[in-house]
Amino acid sequence: SQQGEEDPQALSIQEGENATMNCSYKTSINNLQWYRQNSGRGLVHLILIRSNEREKHSGRLRVTLDTSKKSSSLLITASRAADTASYFCATAGTGANSKLTFGKGITLSVRP
Amino acid sequence: GAVVSQHPSRVICKSGTSVKIECRSLDFQATTMFWYRQFPKQSLMLMATSNEGSKATYEQGVEKDKFLINHASLTLSTLTVTSAHPEDSSFYICSALSGGAETQYFGPGTRLLVL
Repeated sequence: SQQGEEDPQALSIQEGENATMNCSYKTSINNLQWYRQNSGRGLVHLILIRSNEREKHSGRLRVTLDTSKKSSSLLITASRAADTASYFCATAGTGANSKLTFGKGITLSVRP
Repeated sequence: GAVVSQHPSRVICKSGTSVKIECRSLDFQATTMFWYRQFPKQSLMLMATSNEGSKATYEQGVEKDKFLINHASLTLSTLTVTSAHPEDSSFYICSALSGGAETQYFGPGTRLLVL
């Protein structure tokens, strides 16, 4: 069964606006990762946040993690049309080479 | 760095034939590779975990005799879909992980269409 559940399932915003996507999960994790997938392509790793971290930044991306609520959010600031893609959160359990469990994904459309 | 390639990118085959998909880590040694399947507008579902030099570990519900995985070297894993049927049509994606690392690097995917 899938671990992560993102919301909303689809998000449409205007270029320049911020996009916030949320992810909830069910079991204990070692880390949580966000990936982007352009239509028909592979996944691009965006950011990883460990279970002992609360917030992380990378360029226009800001990720938060609340392990008490088992949730994470991905904020993309000053969105661009090129940010249009599907975004997935994925959780990794404990242990070496732990497999990832992906959420259903969020489709983000940024209107120029 | 951390580039993973897949070949072929797209394949069309007749029902009953076998198809081999290659996954290569181009600039790092991948002790572990993962194979996923993704149906249209759905998430990635892990099929199996492959460690170099050992047998793959398959997820529940994935037939190991139908989806043969070989991880013969630290840079190459192959997935063979045997006796493919139309319901096997999907987007197959691999990822690679070097020992001790936390981040999986994904290949560009292979779209399989079985007629």
